[in-house]
Amino acid sequence: NSKVIQTPRYLVKGQGQKAKMRCIPEKGHPVVFWYQQNKNNEFKFLINFQNQEVLQQIDMTEKRFSAECPSNSPCSLEIQSSEAGDSALYLCASRDWGQDTQYFGPGTRLLVL
Amino acid sequence: AQSVTQPDARVTVSEGASLQLRCKYSSSVTPYLFWYVQYPRQGLQLLLKYYSGDPVVQGVNGFEAEFSKSNSSFHLRKASVHWSDSAVYFCAVSMGTNAYKVIFGKGTHLHVLP
Repeated sequence: NSKVIQTPRYLVKGQGQKAKMRCIPEKGHPVVFWYQQNKNNEFKFLINFQNQEVLQQIDMTEKRFSAECPSNSPCSLEIQSSEAGDSALYLCASRDWGQDTQYFGPGTRLLVL
Repeated sequence: AQSVTQPDARVTVSEGASLQLRCKYSSSVTPYLFWYVQYPRQGLQLLLKYYSGDPVVQGVNGFEAEFSKSNSSFHLRKASVHWSDSAVYFCAVSMGTNAYKVIFGKGTHLHVLP
């Protein structure tokens, strides 16, 4: 069973508001991923980190989304100005270096009104 | 580019019946293959995975999957389903370890009739 922790489980924001969610990866896992799962079960990769360094991110992430994984603190994903289309389940996953399996947290369900 | 297709959006079976959920992938090389399950209001749980070796892999809760290189498929099976197996099942691929992302199919919603 996964030990990835995500908070909060639910987040409700108005359009234009900031939305911030956090993730604690499994202990010892240096690689962290963020995905967006929409209501049609389509997954979109957003960003990944190795320790504190960004490895890959998509264009959408670069504009309104920001993320970080500071040392000795939870990782976070923040949407600067929420839009209705951002309503989705945001999943954090972690992976040990050299391993093939990503382990997922329960997700943060964001609703933008 | 890699892709995953799950042709059945919804499958309904009776409790105790056998099950097969289909998955086909598109990739120039054999990827890492996974099946995840998502129960209502929960995250993704790994059922099983495959990269090499015996093409039939065993997973948790009696699930198994069979890899076919010739068919580019990785179908999930269970001999006898239980009502608690009702969930959404996702087939996924990854091209490697470390920083490689996972690419998911759109899922198959399994409904088990009691």
